[in-house]
Amino acid sequence: DVKVTQSSRYLVKRTGEKVFLECVQDMDHENMFWYRQDPGLGLRLIYFSYDVKMKEKGDIPEGYSVSREKKERFSLILESASTNQTSMYLCASRFLGIGELFFGEGSRLTVL
Amino acid sequence: GDSVTQMEGPVTLSEEAFLTINCTYTATGYPSLFWYVQYPGEGLQLLLKATKADDKGSNKGFEATYRKETTSFHLEKGSVQVSDSAVYFCALWYNTDKLIFGTGTRLQVFP
Repeated sequence: DVKVTQSSRYLVKRTGEKVFLECVQDMDHENMFWYRQDPGLGLRLIYFSYDVKMKEKGDIPEGYSVSREKKERFSLILESASTNQTSMYLCASRFLGIGELFFGEGSRLTVL
Repeated sequence: GDSVTQMEGPVTLSEEAFLTINCTYTATGYPSLFWYVQYPGEGLQLLLKATKADDKGSNKGFEATYRKETTSFHLEKGSVQVSDSAVYFCALWYNTDKLIFGTGTRLQVFP
């Protein structure tokens, strides 16, 4: 069965803290994605990665960075968390050239 | 650019009612179309898909037909259950890196 696992379901951090959100997939997918989901705004793409060590900015990359050192793992980094980054973060992956995305269960981040 | 427009929610229905959630798209070519569902507290799951015009995707009693002439992919179910309460997202993909999502429609089904 397809599996995308996000390391933390719920996190509470303080303003200015560095935050790591980890995502692992076991399907040998080339592409991986980070979205944030906010009420009324739907899903917005933060960053995506075609393959290992490759990354591309999505629609809202400001305040975020990513790392993909291994094919199965894609990390989202908030260098200095701010309250406006309180959100649900969703990781997804897929095979190259295929539209269908497989999602993790999400990480709900609260920044105080 | 490519885009997806969904009806605003919430959609509130009684159990066993008929469901329609409208979705229209704008695309330069012939995209693949998807419906995803998000149950409370969970990530998104693929519900159904259609890859070409006149295809009908179906799953769990839900159906959607890819209508090129009206650029639509409306989601329907003949008899909803309380367990169908969720947020539904329409999405398109056309030979790009990104899956383009609508803003989601919340469905609430009451007994």
